[in-house]
Amino acid sequence: KNQVEQSPQSLIILEGKNCTLQCNYTVSPFSNLRWYKQDTGRGPVSLTIMTFSENTKSNGRYTATLDADTKQSSLHITASQLSDSASYICVVSADYNTDKLIFGTGTRLQVFP
Amino acid sequence: DVKVTQSSRYLVKRTGEKVFLECVQDMDHENMFWYRQDPGLGLRLIYFSYDVKMKEKGDIPEGYSVSREKKERFSLILESASTNQTSMYLCASSPGLAGGEQYFGPGTRLTVT
Repeated sequence: KNQVEQSPQSLIILEGKNCTLQCNYTVSPFSNLRWYKQDTGRGPVSLTIMTFSENTKSNGRYTATLDADTKQSSLHITASQLSDSASYICVVSADYNTDKLIFGTGTRLQVFP
Repeated sequence: DVKVTQSSRYLVKRTGEKVFLECVQDMDHENMFWYRQDPGLGLRLIYFSYDVKMKEKGDIPEGYSVSREKKERFSLILESASTNQTSMYLCASSPGLAGGEQYFGPGTRLTVT
């Protein structure tokens, strides 16, 4: 069964600290993996998209890694800010020919001053 | 910037009412999607469309229908709203190439009483 699992479910950190969110997937065939940020009450916004040949991609203070062999990805946030408080969703594209996406349930991050 | 707009941020309807959720995108995207998002379940695909007047069922189409009369507009219809359709509804669009980034609207929080 195609599945995307994220950990932890929730995380609390202090402003300025770093953190890493995890994503494991059992999706085949694999096309690409995406990380989205979703603020409370808003739609998700794309942070990164990685194909199987890419093992790291950065977007400002966000760095995503991908290990296609172990089917794991991580999202590292550096020097967290209060505005990083949001849910982070890992999404895997399961088909080269369609836009079928498999969504994780997200990690809820709270950054406190 | 891609812009996906949804007709309402919050909506309250009664059981049995017919409900229309409208989505408009301004980037000439071929593909449009309707998802619902519930706590602990992640986003689930209801319907999608690859072209005008074309629609495909997603993972949970029961109780819903869609309409795409114009390229920029994709409507989700709840023929007879039920309480289990209380949810956050998200519309998304993407360009024609499969695997392209999906851009999400702000969401409609629908409550059926």
